[in-house]
Amino acid sequence: QVTLKESGPGILQPSQTLSLTCTFSGFSLSTYGMGVGWIRQPSGKGLEWLANIWWDDDKYYNPSLKNRLTISKDTSNNQAFLKITNVDTADTATYYCARIVLPGYNLYVMDAWGQGASVTVSS
Amino acid sequence: ETVMTQSPTSMSTSIGERVTLNCKASQSVGINVDWYQQTPGQSPKLLIYGASNRHTGVPDRFTGSGFGRDFTLTISNVEAEDLAVYYCLQYGSIPYTFGAGTKLELK
Repeated sequence: QVTLKESGPGILQPSQTLSLTCTFSGFSLSTYGMGVGWIRQPSGKGLEWLANIWWDDDKYYNPSLKNRLTISKDTSNNQAFLKITNVDTADTATYYCARIVLPGYNLYVMDAWGQGASVTVSS
Repeated sequence: ETVMTQSPTSMSTSIGERVTLNCKASQSVGINVDWYQQTPGQSPKLLIYGASNRHTGVPDRFTGSGFGRDFTLTISNVEAEDLAVYYCLQYGSIPYTFGAGTKLELK
């Protein structure tokens, strides 16, 4: 059974760095074709893809967040991380991590999601 | 950036009806589209991948189709548990982008 769980600070102030952890079980990020993605959702709004990290440590970022994002992983401890620097109230959202698998050529699925971590940026 | 435009924004239906949700890409994305369902207070769940492949365990009343720029999700015989927000996602180019969602409500 695949499970993921996000954790974060809950509340932080503008200009601080947001550090999120995704702790997962049921798969390994060292397995060929496996990945973890981060997606966020402001309350009452839609979904925004942020970043992916793959089994081979390849990384992809949403350019709209410029150079504020850093994704990383700890394969030994089954964790993935996302840092967002210089946060603003616009970063207030629920942050999800999801397992990514590649079921075939040119196919990409986020087939298991965590419950989400609520993050509020406020002074 | 590929913009995914979903229509309608919301729709009302009755149990047992058939509904069609649309998603249009601002540029061709081939079959690189997934559909996700989000019920209130829950995380999104994968329904359809690669435009037309039903994810494991998804009821066969959910059907995805499309190629290039135009994609549809059809729900036949709507059940109460299908009342949710549906999002399309394109992964043909970075950044991956979601549509704004279609909210399916009871009439």
